[in-house]
Amino acid sequence: AQSVTQPDARVTVSEGASLQLRCKYSYSGTPYLFWYVQYPRQGLQLLLKYYSGDPVVQGVNGFEAEFSKSNSSFHLRKASVHWSDSAVYFCALSETGGYKVVFGSGTRLLVSP
Amino acid sequence: EAAVTQSPRNKVTVTGGNVTLSCRQTNSHNYMYWYRQDTGHGLRLIHYSYGAGNLQIGDVPDGYKATRTTQEDFFLLLELASPSQTSLYFCASSTGGGQDTQYFGPGTRLLVL
Repeated sequence: AQSVTQPDARVTVSEGASLQLRCKYSYSGTPYLFWYVQYPRQGLQLLLKYYSGDPVVQGVNGFEAEFSKSNSSFHLRKASVHWSDSAVYFCALSETGGYKVVFGSGTRLLVSP
Repeated sequence: EAAVTQSPRNKVTVTGGNVTLSCRQTNSHNYMYWYRQDTGHGLRLIHYSYGAGNLQIGDVPDGYKATRTTQEDFFLLLELASPSQTSLYFCASSTGGGQDTQYFGPGTRLLVL
């Protein structure tokens, strides 16, 4: 069965610093991969998604993610974070032709001034 | 813009009580999902549906029933609520299956005393 692991429950970075949030997945085929963000007291919103093509996919608000089949990873990056990026970030996976999405446990990002 | 609404936003009940959580989407999406969100677990799928009258079992269905009465409306029922069902519940909708973006409602916080 497929699974998603986000090894960092909390990450703190300074405003203006670069960011990487880690995501590892387990799936034998080619997965659909997603990053969602959850701002306080809101539902999740899509940041970006990937299925095939260029392994670096661009998302909203300057976020990007890089797919690595050899490492079974889909890490999220941002060159310079803003205080408004403080939120919980979820990595998620769906199998090809599947109906369900499996979510990781989430990483809480705190951007300090 | 996709729109998913949930009611109530907050609910308190006692052990053994009856609870119905409502979700409505106005996107004409086929798929609707119910998740629960708990610290350390991320989002876990309870039930989902791909159309009116259809119901599929998710990953954590015990103690929950669901019903999709129309294309727009998906209900989650807890007939004998237990403290272990205290959680934050999210409804989501999507056009197709797992490969499509999911649009989330704002969530319902349920406390079972």
